[in-house]
Formats: sequence, structure tokens, C-alpha cells
Amino acid sequence: AQSVAQPEDQVNVAEGNPLTVKCTYSVSGNPYLFWYVQYPNRGLQFLLKYITGDNLVKGSYGFEAEFNKSQTSFHLKKPSALVSDSALYFCAVRDSRGYSTLTFGKGTMLLVSP
Amino acid sequence: SQTIHQWPATLVQPVGSPLSLECTVEGTSNPNLYWYRQAAGRGLQLLFYSVGIGQISSEVPQNLSASRPQDRQFILSSKKLLLSDSGFYLCAWSYRRVSADTQYFGPGTRLTVL
Repeated sequence: AQSVAQPEDQVNVAEGNPLTVKCTYSVSGNPYLFWYVQYPNRGLQFLLKYITGDNLVKGSYGFEAEFNKSQTSFHLKKPSALVSDSALYFCAVRDSRGYSTLTFGKGTMLLVSP
Repeated sequence: SQTIHQWPATLVQPVGSPLSLECTVEGTSNPNLYWYRQAAGRGLQLLFYSVGIGQISSEVPQNLSASRPQDRQFILSSKKLLLSDSGFYLCAWSYRRVSADTQYFGPGTRLTVL
């Protein structure tokens, strides 16, 4: 079985400050990890993914995520937050072995204040 | 480039009425297709996925059904809607032959059952 946890319902950060949105996962084999962002009443937009290789993955809009195998984590980061980054963020995982569908976390609301 | 469409964007239906939501993908062939529901509590629930015409896998038993009459068309249906069917319905697609497949989401349909 695979699972993903986003321990924070909401993250508050001031504009210009660095942000981190946390994600931990559990899979039997090696993970494929994804981050998505959702703006109100919109579909999910793909930000970045980790498949293999470099543990630091760079994605859209200045976001990056760091894969940590020992801590089974894949935290989303950005060096300087923008008010327009305020949205709902989802982490997702699937096992690299065989075929399985994506399992999504419950989402973390990011609020960036001016 | 690939594009995914969903319609209608918004729908208000009485309890007991039928439902038909449509999703189409342009710019790719033989995609995997997915239906998700996002309730007010924000989590994503996978309802159905399809790896080919007429091939549907159901993840959650309920009064909804899905069909794939054409390669790039995915339909979500119900014969009689329940209040609990209200939510935001998202369709997604991914490349079939890529193991680390990113799912790309449509704009969604907001369904309110009264």
C-alpha cells in the first residue's frame, strides 16, 4: 500500500520570506513523487516531480522540492514567496513497481501575506 | 500541445436526476484517463480510471459509472443523483506508455445536488 501525508492544513508566510510545504510518503518500492497546485475553482496544475537522480528537483514558478529517502520526505520549497503563490498544494506518490494510480495527500493551503 | 476539456463547468441538479459529465483530450493518442471527485474537505478521491476504450476500473463503489466510448473521451454518469454526489469533479489524463506518468488535469465541473 502507498500513502502520503501533508501534516499541515495551512501554512502562513509573509511575502518575500522562504516557504516550505511538507510531505512525507510511504511506498513498498521506490517512489515517484509529484507536487501540484490548485487555485480556487480550478483544476490541479503540475509543478514538479521526482523520478530518480538528483534529490533536488526544480519546477515551475520558482518552486523546488527535495527528495530525502532516509526521512521519506519530499518537501516543497521556494526561496521567496509571492502573494500570488497563495493556493492549495497537493503532494502525490505512486510506487515505481508495476502499475498503480497516484495517491494524493489531503492538501495544504498556503497563504502568503503582503 | 495537449489540451483537456470538461463540460459543463457548473451544474445544479435535483436529487434523483441523471448526470452526464464529459471529458475530452486533444493532442495525444491512447491516453490513460481518470475521474476524481474533490469534496468540500479538499481531498481528492479517485473514482475511475481507464487504460483504453471500454476498459474502466472502479476505485470506489457508488452510484456513479464511467464509460469510454472513444479513445479520447471519458464520461461520468449517474442514473439517480444523491446529495452526497455534490462536489468538484476533475478529469485527468496521462501518457499510457510512460511509467513515471504525470497526470494533467482538466478545469473541473462544479456539481451541486439540491
